[in-house]
Amino acid sequence: DGGITQSPKYLFRKEGQNVTLSCEQNLNHDAMYWYRQDPGQGLRLIYYSQIVNDFQKGDIAEGYSVSREKKESFPLTVTSAQKNPTAFYLCASSIETGTGNYEQYFGPGTRLTVT
Amino acid sequence: LAKTTQPISMDSYEGQEVNITCSHNNIATNDYITWYQQFPSQGPRFIIQGYKTKVTNEVASLFIPADRKSSTLSLPRVSLSDTAVYYCLVGDRGSTLGRLYFGRGTQLTVWP
Repeated sequence: DGGITQSPKYLFRKEGQNVTLSCEQNLNHDAMYWYRQDPGQGLRLIYYSQIVNDFQKGDIAEGYSVSREKKESFPLTVTSAQKNPTAFYLCASSIETGTGNYEQYFGPGTRLTVT
Repeated sequence: LAKTTQPISMDSYEGQEVNITCSHNNIATNDYITWYQQFPSQGPRFIIQGYKTKVTNEVASLFIPADRKSSTLSLPRVSLSDTAVYYCLVGDRGSTLGRLYFGRGTQLTVWP
C-alpha cells in the first residue's frame, strides 16, 4: 500500500526543547512538503524539497529546519526558536507531470503541543 | 501569484446538490484548478482537478468557464459525511515548482 506516514500522531514537548517530526513516503515522489495548520486556518507552507539533498524555505520557515537525505524521508525539526510551535503539522508529497498538474498527497498529520 | 477567494462557510441538507464557487482572477495560462477536502484532524484529500470546461469523477464535478477566472465545485446529493472544509487551489508556476497556496477554505456543514 503506497502512501505517506507521519509519526507520532500526537506529540507533547516542553518549551525550549527541539523536536523532530517524521515523514516517510513510498510513492516514489520527488517533491515533499511540510505545512503547518492552526485552528480555523488554512495550511501554510514551512519547507519544501523538490529533490534529494535540496530544499527551500516556504512562507513560515523561521524556527524550523529540515533535511532530505533520502527520497523517501523529509523530517522536520521544530526548534526552540519557533515562538508558537503548538499546531497541526502536515507532510505531503507530489509528482509533477510536466503540465502544471501538481496533485499533492498528504499524510495523517502530527499534532504538536508545547507547554 | 494566483490566489483564490471562496466563501467561508456554507450549509446544506442531506440529499441536496451543493455548489461552491471559487474566484481566481489572476490564474496563469498553464495553471490547473484543484480542489481538496479536509476532515478535522486529517490531511487534505484530493477531490478533483481541471483546466477548462467540465470535469467529472465519481465524487464531484468541476465547472470552469471559458475565461477560467472562477470555478465551481459541485457535490451531488450530499450526505452528513461530506461535512468538511473544501479548498480551492491554483497551481503557481512562478519560480517554485509544485507550490500550492491553501486559503481558509469553505466549511461545508450538511444537516440531516
